[in-house]
This record gives sequence, C-alpha cells and structure tokens, in this order.
Amino acid sequence: HSVLTQPPSVSGAPGQRVTISCTGTNSNIGAGYDVHWYQHLPGTAPKLLIYRNTYRPSGVPDRFSGSKSGASTSLAITGLLAEDEADYYCQSFDTSLSGWVFGGGTKLTVL
Amino acid sequence: VQLQESGPGLVKSSQTVSLTCTVSGGSINSGGYYWTWIRQYPGKGLEWIGYIYYSGSTYYNPSLKSRLTISRDTSKSQFSLNLRSVTAADTAVYYCARGDGYNYADKWGQGTLVTVSS
Repeated sequence: HSVLTQPPSVSGAPGQRVTISCTGTNSNIGAGYDVHWYQHLPGTAPKLLIYRNTYRPSGVPDRFSGSKSGASTSLAITGLLAEDEADYYCQSFDTSLSGWVFGGGTKLTVL
Repeated sequence: VQLQESGPGLVKSSQTVSLTCTVSGGSINSGGYYWTWIRQYPGKGLEWIGYIYYSGSTYYNPSLKSRLTISRDTSKSQFSLNLRSVTAADTAVYYCARGDGYNYADKWGQGTLVTVSS
C-alpha cells in the first residue's frame, strides 16, 4: 500500500474544476516536507506538474494549482480539458524511510 | 537534460536485474542532483528505489537495501541499478529520474518494463 493517501478516481465535465487530495503522516507531509505532483499518461514518462506544494514548472498551465495545509495537500485543476485525463500522483519525503514516498495515484476522467 | 533507461526486459526469478540510465545534456557529477530509480507496479503504484547523489553517495529504500546496488560511470554519464534475487514481485516499469535537492523528480526517462519469469 502507498504511504500517502489519494482518492482512486475523480471525474468532471469539460470546463469544470476538480480537486485531488493527498494525505500524509507526521513522518512526511505532517513533518513539514514539501509535496510534489506528477501527471502520468500511460506509456509516457511522468511529468512534474507542481513542486514544493505550489510552484509550477515552466510550461505547466496555470489551470493547475497546488495547496498545503498541515498534513494534507491538494491539487486543483480548473477549466478541465479532455487532455487532462491522466493519472495524478503526489510525492513527498519521509523521515522513517529517509527517502521518497508516493500516493497511490488518482485517475482523472473527463466526462 | 534527457534520460534513457536500457536493460533486459525479461529476467528469470532469483537472478539479477541490471539496468542503466544514460543521461544526455548534463553531467551526473555536478549540480547537486540525486540520480534516482523509481518503479511502477502493474497495479499502478509508484515506489522509490533509491538514488545516487552527484557526489557518489547512495541512498536506498530500506525494503530493497539488502538486494540493491546503485552505481555510476561518470565518464559515460550513466548510472545503474543492480537488483539481486528477483521474484515476480519485482515485475514493474523501472524509471530513472533526476532528483532535485528539494526531493522531487524534474526529469524522467521513458521507463523500461522488467518482467520476472519463473
């Protein structure tokens, strides 16, 4: 099982807003470590979407945003497009592992 | 910077998986980066395997530490993974990635499927 908890799936109609939650524990997100988000289309390399909780790499549309409050974080996607249909993963650092931990992934379906 | 994994796609149970990641467009012994291996199980979950720091220090997932070696060849701009005594549970897509000092992967390879057969 994954150390970080994400919903298995979310869905929304084109143009709508969806959020994906990511919950950790006191050894990772709750300990103050940053959360990062990746978008993954099957058969391709995962793509960094949000880093250090809220920052977008160059080229990522501002429709994607991240937030963090305590041990919980979330990814928001506004103005849904068909091309946003993908798997989304959160990731952080864990002190008990002394390494990276991931969420189980959330499949976004654009209706 | 681009990363590309290479290695056998099929390995027999109890043998060793050896994968190499070739980095182009950058040096693996500078810049403060963590050269990382991550795998994705058939059921979708991602697992951090370990990384080798630009200085050469290595950090491994404790669950794999007894079977794992990550090494590098700076002259070829490559880093490698050796996972010993594999079982079917090691069947996964293996990705190499560049890790930033803030603990995220900003560059990924395309991934290579490794299937462990009995």
